[in-house]
Amino acid sequence: DAGITQSPRHKVTETGTPVTLRCHQTENHRYMYWYRQDPGHGLRLIHYSYGVKDTDKGEVSDGYSVSRSKTEDFLLTLESATSSQTSVYFCAISSPAPGTYDTGELFFGEGSRLTVL
Amino acid sequence: AQSVTQPDIHITVSEGASLELRCNYSYGATPYLFWYVQSPGQGLQLLLKYFSGDTLVQGIKGFEAEFKRSQSSFNLRKPSVHWSDAAEYFCAVGARYSGNTPLVFGKGTRLSVIA
Repeated sequence: DAGITQSPRHKVTETGTPVTLRCHQTENHRYMYWYRQDPGHGLRLIHYSYGVKDTDKGEVSDGYSVSRSKTEDFLLTLESATSSQTSVYFCAISSPAPGTYDTGELFFGEGSRLTVL
Repeated sequence: AQSVTQPDIHITVSEGASLELRCNYSYGATPYLFWYVQSPGQGLQLLLKYFSGDTLVQGIKGFEAEFKRSQSSFNLRKPSVHWSDAAEYFCAVGARYSGNTPLVFGKGTRLSVIA
């Protein structure tokens, strides 16, 4: 199994509070991702990183920010949590496709279940 | 940009029957293609991948998929389904020669297995 650890695995919080989810990898992979998974929507990309301090927005980035100060850690922050951000959040890592700099296969963490009351 | 469609939201098959899950993509060149499986409460696990070469790809757990360029498809198959195959299955497509462009995932197909 790929060395990906997400923390916390479960969190219940109140509307308006800040929340930070952490993703830690031991694989030294360059690319890291945060997805959210909701029934009927599949996986939706929130933000991704293609190197230390290099990040970009995904399709559902509003209300989220990220930081990557070290190769191994990718943090997802909800500055002021809302009930619509209740979801399961997955971190993923990727190495390039063989012989390229293109995104290759993803390896996923176990997920973090966030409930915003 | 690439896109992917999984036409079937939910499929039910009998244990021991064959299975085919559909995946159609849109991309202007030959894409990278992946199938993932997710058991309840778990993360996604890679079943198989296509980067280049032989268009029939073998994966784990007895699954295979065939890349058909003319049909823009990458359907997942298994000759005999086991009850433990009940899960959600996701197809994903990656863009070639695109640097760090992320994969795009389909919305998933939920597989139920009945006795």
